[in-house]
Amino acid sequence: AQSVTQPDIHITVSEGASLELRCNYSYGATPYLFWYVQSPGQGLQLLLKYFSGDTLVQGIKGFEAEFKRSQSSFNLRKPSVHWSDAAEYFCAVARNSGGYQKVTFGTGTKLQVIP
Amino acid sequence: EAGVTQFPSHSVIEKGQTVTLRCDPISGHDNLYWYRRVMGKEIKFLLHFVKESKQDESGMPNNRFLAERTGGTYSTLKVQPAELEDSGVYFCASSQGARSVVQYFGPGTRLTVT
Repeated sequence: AQSVTQPDIHITVSEGASLELRCNYSYGATPYLFWYVQSPGQGLQLLLKYFSGDTLVQGIKGFEAEFKRSQSSFNLRKPSVHWSDAAEYFCAVARNSGGYQKVTFGTGTKLQVIP
Repeated sequence: EAGVTQFPSHSVIEKGQTVTLRCDPISGHDNLYWYRRVMGKEIKFLLHFVKESKQDESGMPNNRFLAERTGGTYSTLKVQPAELEDSGVYFCASSQGARSVVQYFGPGTRLTVT
């Protein structure tokens, strides 16, 4: 069975500092990988996704993530965090199930941004 | 284009009562998913509709939960009778066709059972 681990429950960074959120997955084949963000009072918004090809993917809001097969990781990065990035971030993996995609999420990482 | 909408945004009910959550997917999306997040835990899959048919309901916790999707459009998730452990945020998502990998999520319904 597939699983997703986000080891950091809560992270605090200063505005302007760099950010890296960790994600490790367990899946037998090449996975489809995602990062979603949930801002307070909002739904889950897709930040970026990896299906194949270039292992460094760019997303919205200046985020990027790197797929490392050897480490089973898909860490999310941003070079300079803005106060509006304070939110909860979810890593997810999708696998084919009966011709459809079944998504498994991690437990989420809450990001706090301090001035 | 309107996104996925869910109603209500919050619901507070007493143990033993019934609650019905509604989800309106993006127009034209055949796939509709329900997920639940219990506080502090991961977002867990509940079930998946393809049009009006249940494709996968392996995540439904027990027979107190009943999901329907009338005419392949909106969906409802009824909890009857509600228990304390049913509290959490219920998310709905939709995607277009069978090969669609990206799911679009609604804002969620926060259910509190007291």
